[in-house]
Amino acid sequence: EAEVAQSPRYKITEKSQAVAFWCDPISGHATLYWYRQILGQGPELLVQFQDESVVDDSQLPKDRFSAERLKGVDSTLKIQPAELGDSAMYLCASSLNDYGYTFGSGTRLTVV
Amino acid sequence: GQQVMQIPQYQHVQEGEDFTTYCNSSTTLSNIQWYKQRPGGHPVFLIQLVKSGEVKKQKRLTFQFGEAKKNSSLHITATQTTDVGTYFCAQYDYKLSFGAGTTVTVRA
Repeated sequence: EAEVAQSPRYKITEKSQAVAFWCDPISGHATLYWYRQILGQGPELLVQFQDESVVDDSQLPKDRFSAERLKGVDSTLKIQPAELGDSAMYLCASSLNDYGYTFGSGTRLTVV
Repeated sequence: GQQVMQIPQYQHVQEGEDFTTYCNSSTTLSNIQWYKQRPGGHPVFLIQLVKSGEVKKQKRLTFQFGEAKKNSSLHITATQTTDVGTYFCAQYDYKLSFGAGTTVTVRA
């Protein structure tokens, strides 16, 4: 079964440092999403791409977060500088249409 | 934007018993999706409901969409230890917005 690949699986970084996460969606899925999930809460959408274009980044803290999907395939989410409150699971998902998203295993970020 | 509220937040179930978790909205939903997240895992898509009053079954899981399309429920019969995890409902309106989830634990 096709999977969404994410790396790294775990990341520990000091506050004020830069950190980046990578996602490779299922082949052929034009839509890619980055979600943040704080422990004990549901995933919150940060950014949505359709091919290489940003469709929705209304919840992305743009002063420190950036996301790109240059060739419309894989994507990178960056945080600079990281803050203690950014500690969370960062989940990438992709979909072919609106019928069900496939999530990757996520990157667990700890900011110390 | 629209938010879906899930109750209860936690559900402790004796193995073999049934339980129901609910997902409510103050506004009409175009469709509702359910996901399961095992401890330490990632959300996995279970089902999508679109039609008013729709009922779908997956083995011991029964999903229902309310007549007014403002609520949904997930009913699990004969709970097993494999049912442990957090069940999220999510409303789709050009993007998927998740509720806070119901975390299920099972007593053997």
